[in-house]
Amino acid sequence: DAGVIQSPRHEVTEMGQEVTLRCKPISGHDYLFWYRQTMMRGLELLIYFNNNVPIDDSGMPEDRFSAKMPNASFSTLKIQPSEPRDSAVYFCASSLFSYEQFFGPGTRLTVL
Amino acid sequence: AQRVTQPEKLLSVFKGAPVELKCNYSYSGSPELFWYVQYSRQRLQLLLRHISRESIKGFTADLNKGETSFHLKKPFAQEEDSAMYYCALIRGSTLGRLYFGRGTQLTVWP
Repeated sequence: DAGVIQSPRHEVTEMGQEVTLRCKPISGHDYLFWYRQTMMRGLELLIYFNNNVPIDDSGMPEDRFSAKMPNASFSTLKIQPSEPRDSAVYFCASSLFSYEQFFGPGTRLTVL
Repeated sequence: AQRVTQPEKLLSVFKGAPVELKCNYSYSGSPELFWYVQYSRQRLQLLLRHISRESIKGFTADLNKGETSFHLKKPFAQEEDSAMYYCALIRGSTLGRLYFGRGTQLTVWP
């Protein structure tokens, strides 16, 4: 198993553009998490799903952020429109029965 | 409310010296505590969890409910221990959701 897969690994875009980050969790895992990591705020949970259903999206910064999980093997995090303050590393993680979380390599987003 | 506190953003020690990374939590129930580690250019990964009471890579962590602490310790630090360490907590009422501290960057000098 390749573990959690994220794409793209790096994204550079201009302010106002739409950004879509993708995640493929480990097969069989029933939880999926999206995190954002910045120097100032550390690791923040944005949203998490259980069996493809969003459970807690209280960490989503604002309406510009949205996340979907159309099936057990795919999730997206979308930012529209993007702003420079969205620049960060975005991690996806998955787990089984809520214990050990397995993280993807992250997507480094730069919004100019 | 900050549930997991790691008071040190940066910690430096010399190789062979003891190291302790501090973690305090605020939760009145019975939490599960974890330490995650992120080595340079690697994924964030689980280092250890209090429930298993094991030593991983020479690291141990004891849950002290009286002091609400879960400090990570190693008697003799190695250069390869240099990494970012995150303390994390799961509350019994919110299965699945990990609350992370802000992290401590450990540097072990040769």
